[in-house]
Amino acid sequence: AQSVAQPEDQVNVAEGNPLTVKCTYSVSGNPYLFWYVQYPNRGLQFLLKYITGDNLVKGSYGFEAEFNKSQTSFHLKKPSALVSDSALYFCAVRDDSGGYQKVTFGTGTKLQVIP
Amino acid sequence: EAQVTQNPRYLITVTGKKLTVTCSQNMNHEYMSWYRQDPGLGLRQIYYSMNVEVTDKGDVPEGYKVSRKEKRNFPLILESPSPNQTSLYFCASSFGTGLYEQYFGPGTRLTVT
Repeated sequence: AQSVAQPEDQVNVAEGNPLTVKCTYSVSGNPYLFWYVQYPNRGLQFLLKYITGDNLVKGSYGFEAEFNKSQTSFHLKKPSALVSDSALYFCAVRDDSGGYQKVTFGTGTKLQVIP
Repeated sequence: EAQVTQNPRYLITVTGKKLTVTCSQNMNHEYMSWYRQDPGLGLRQIYYSMNVEVTDKGDVPEGYKVSRKEKRNFPLILESPSPNQTSLYFCASSFGTGLYEQYFGPGTRLTVT
């Protein structure tokens, strides 16, 4: 079985400050991890993914995420937040124990960037 | 333009009246999936399909049916909708399973009274 936890319902950060959105996961096998962003009244958009290799993954719009196997975490980060980054962020996992067929999402974290 | 389309975008219906939400993708993707999004629960997978005529249950399949007769289409069927199926529904597709990211449709907001 696989699961994802996003412990913060909302994260507030001042524009220009670094931001972190947390994600931890639990899997039986080897995970593939994803971050998606949802703007109001829109579908989800892919930001970045971890497959294997370098633990620091870079994605769209200046976002990056760090895979930490010992802490089973995949936190999303950005060095300098923009007001336009305000949105709902979802972490998701697939693992090979089920043939990577199922996808499990976290409950989402609302990011509010304050001007 | 590569996209996933869903119809209708908004639907209000009554308990027990059968409905279908269509989903179509133009990217020749093999994997397609349906999710429902509810406040505080995030996205939960309803059904997925690995390819034509290959479908399987996700985490919350009760009350839903799907079919995959053509590669591009993956309709979601509610044969007897109930109020607890009021939700925001998303269709998604990807090249395959595993490392492939998903492309999402714009969503269908369903209200069952």
